[in-house]
Amino acid sequence: DSGVTQTPKHLITATGQRVTLRCSPRSGDLSVYWYQQSLDQGLQFLIQYYNGEERAKGNILERFSAQQFPDLHSELNLSSLELGDSALYFCASSPTGWSEKLFFGSGTQLSVL
Amino acid sequence: DAKTTQPNSMESNEEEPVHLPCNHSTISGTDYIHWYRQLPSQGPEYVIHGLTSNVNNRMASLAIAEDRKSSTLILHRATLRDAAVYYCIPNTGNQFYFGTGTSLTVIP
Repeated sequence: DSGVTQTPKHLITATGQRVTLRCSPRSGDLSVYWYQQSLDQGLQFLIQYYNGEERAKGNILERFSAQQFPDLHSELNLSSLELGDSALYFCASSPTGWSEKLFFGSGTQLSVL
Repeated sequence: DAKTTQPNSMESNEEEPVHLPCNHSTISGTDYIHWYRQLPSQGPEYVIHGLTSNVNNRMASLAIAEDRKSSTLILHRATLRDAAVYYCIPNTGNQFYFGTGTSLTVIP
């Protein structure tokens, strides 16, 4: 158990809909990362937050947004969903977000039908 | 970001040592070399990382070439539980980019 909690574990929705994925980092970790893993794209970095502020942005679509709240949990919002957004979404956390080990959650499997 | 080259797949017999290579010829002087692995249906997990010297921990050893353009992850005795995709990631700072990794199959 990495200490990172992601909910829900599975999500099935329809095209055009909006969903929110939630991540609770390990106790004491200030930084949260979001990754998307699909069969054809591998593990893609989306975005990183540190203590409530966006720190780095990767291949995140404009339809996607994220935030980190004062209690340090983070949410990834996916809107106007398309079939291609079906993927496994991972959250990871680390103490300071700078060149140290990441602890990953078990992921949210999103299926867009 | 430093580009990495890893074999797509490797096989090992159970209880034999495994050497997983990674080329990172464009690595910068401040990049640490991180290794993660991802077991089926799980999130990636940290294995080991180092800067210049060889490193050992309870999971594996990391051998870093003197010029730092390549590294090798060594699993001393492969078990069935080590079957996973192994990612080599040169990193400075806050961004970890996972490539396609090496899929390790352990044969009983």
